[in-house]
Amino acid sequence: DTEVTQTPKHLVMGMTNKKSLKCEQHMGHRAMYWYKQKAKKPPELMFVYSYEKLSINESVPSRFSPECPNSSLLNLHLHALQPEDSALYLCASSRQGGGAFFGQGTRLTVV
Amino acid sequence: GENVEQHPSTLSVQEGDSAVIKCTYSDSASNYFPWYKQELGKGPQLIIDIRSNVGEKKDQRIAVTLNKTAKHFSLHITETQPEDSAVYFCAAGDSGNTPLVFGKGTRLSVIA
Repeated sequence: DTEVTQTPKHLVMGMTNKKSLKCEQHMGHRAMYWYKQKAKKPPELMFVYSYEKLSINESVPSRFSPECPNSSLLNLHLHALQPEDSALYLCASSRQGGGAFFGQGTRLTVV
Repeated sequence: GENVEQHPSTLSVQEGDSAVIKCTYSDSASNYFPWYKQELGKGPQLIIDIRSNVGEKKDQRIAVTLNKTAKHFSLHITETQPEDSAVYFCAAGDSGNTPLVFGKGTRLSVIA
């Protein structure tokens, strides 16, 4: 299994809503990442988890809250988002020294 | 920190021709250089990578070259096909868990 699975594929939420993005991998990778990607731009790193511990937070606003319940799962909790947060949210995982494998992303629209 | 420059930003080639995308990096500590292909509406897909102890790597129609001295690496696609049309990203990193730094991407169009 070389897949990173993200759900949902699409999400529309209001600015007062609370929602969660989910990511799962079964490759035994111990590093997992959240990226944000705007149209025609490269992925922009948000968070890194290494061995289920948050190791990097790229100064992301607190309305984004990551969680790593176990070595296979990664969540991103969303609350009080702004329209400018609309983007493709990508999850990725990697083994030590290896390339990152990306999921298909969640297309988020904030209305 | 690392900075990755990628050129060109757009590239159009005739089907069957070759395509070359070039990247430069700034941090001599970087030793891992993957390339990603991203199709519309999908996540980036790792297509090939190279480490700093290797100068060239091939996988069918795709090859990557690395010049450590000049700090640049390139993606070569031969006999291009319409399904090669996508955005390609280069990236650089070290062998630890330091996250990759991405180039800004190249939109490749293969014209049938």
